[in-house]
Amino acid sequence: KQEVTQIPAALSVPEGENLVLNCSFTDSAIYNLQWFRQDPGKGLTSLLLIQSSQREQTSGRLNASLDKSSGRSTLYIAASQPGDSATYLCAALSGTYKYIFGTGTRLKVLA
Amino acid sequence: GAGVSQTPSNKVTEKGKYVELRCDPISGHTALYWYRQSLGQGPEFLIYFQGTGAADDSGLPNDRFFAVRPEGSVSTLKIQRTERGDSAVYLCASSQDSARGYTFGSGTRLTVV
Repeated sequence: KQEVTQIPAALSVPEGENLVLNCSFTDSAIYNLQWFRQDPGKGLTSLLLIQSSQREQTSGRLNASLDKSSGRSTLYIAASQPGDSATYLCAALSGTYKYIFGTGTRLKVLA
Repeated sequence: GAGVSQTPSNKVTEKGKYVELRCDPISGHTALYWYRQSLGQGPEFLIYFQGTGAADDSGLPNDRFFAVRPEGSVSTLKIQRTERGDSAVYLCASSQDSARGYTFGSGTRLTVV
């Protein structure tokens, strides 16, 4: 049974810092992994999708990496801004349709 | 539509009442998913539709929960005899192909008082 863990649970950093959010999964047989952002009281916004055959994906200041063999993914945020404050969730696609989510990392970027 | 639409955005109901939550997926997306998110937790899978049929309903917590998608587009999640423990955000997502990832709606926040 796939389990997804995110560390740290919460993170507070000053504006401008580069930071890394971690995601680990127990079953390496995944099809892809997706990172989402969730603002308080809102739904999920997709940030990056990494296929199992890929090592990383980049979008603007965001870079996500995937290491299937070690069961890990990281989300790197460069030059953090207060507007980046949100909860970041990773989800591993186990089987062909079901995403298993971590519990998220609550990020606060201080101005 | 341009995105996944969920209505209502908020629903407050009394314990024991029946509720319906609606999801309108992106046009052309054949796959539709319902998840439930409790406070401080990640979303948990409830049910998956491929077209009109429920291909996997293993995440529905008990027989008070039921979902339909009669025409392969809009889906309704139905909860009978609501309990306070049903309070959560109910999220709907759709996809054309899971290899392309999901698109989520904004969710329905259900509060049972």
